[in-house]
Amino acid sequence: QLHLVESGGGAVQPGGSLRLSCATSGFTFSSFAMHWVRQSPGKGLEWVAYVSVRPFDGGSTHYADSVKGRFTISRDNSQNTLFLQMDSLRPEDTATYFCLRDRGGTYPPLWGQGTVVTVSS
Amino acid sequence: NFMLTQPQSVSEAPGKTVTISCTGAGGDIVSNFVQWYKQRPGSAPVTVIYEDTQRPSGVPDRFSGSVDSSSNSASLIISGLQTDDEAIYYCQSSEAGNHGTLVFGGGTRLTVL
Repeated sequence: QLHLVESGGGAVQPGGSLRLSCATSGFTFSSFAMHWVRQSPGKGLEWVAYVSVRPFDGGSTHYADSVKGRFTISRDNSQNTLFLQMDSLRPEDTATYFCLRDRGGTYPPLWGQGTVVTVSS
Repeated sequence: NFMLTQPQSVSEAPGKTVTISCTGAGGDIVSNFVQWYKQRPGSAPVTVIYEDTQRPSGVPDRFSGSVDSSSNSASLIISGLQTDDEAIYYCQSSEAGNHGTLVFGGGTRLTVL
């Protein structure tokens, strides 16, 4: 069965840091590009970050302007896990964070169940 | 920057057919594939259409997708509406020339009356 399981969310003060993880199983993780997408309470979906498929260095990356310079996406193909290091957190970063496996070949996009991040003093 | 616009809400009776539109601005919608996601309250999104017209296994064939270059828009068509179809539906594509930068529509709330 296909699984994407996020963890690492929680409550943090403004200026703090969190590291989210997305453990995957049931598919060849190294063959798919991956994304983080977030959803603020009562709002729509917002793309956050992307890491490509590259066999040697873990992938090239892109970021939304709202998180550029503060968030870092990475992947560990040996552990089938995606990460999001979030630094200098702001109240507007409060959201549910989803990992998303990109489409590939005949395979559709696949979502995790999400992890909640709350940034508040 | 490429943007996608969806109607805030649509409603239709059970058994009928509804079409949810997704209009592109700042680029050609045919430049990248369009995906559609269904999200119920308190749950993660689920893919119902990918690569414009493809249905993942397990998604009923009542769901279909199309793209129209003349109107620069994509559509999600749901036929034989069921109460279980009530949800928010999001379209998604990518920035032109940059597959890795995703663009989401604002979402459409579907009510099955």
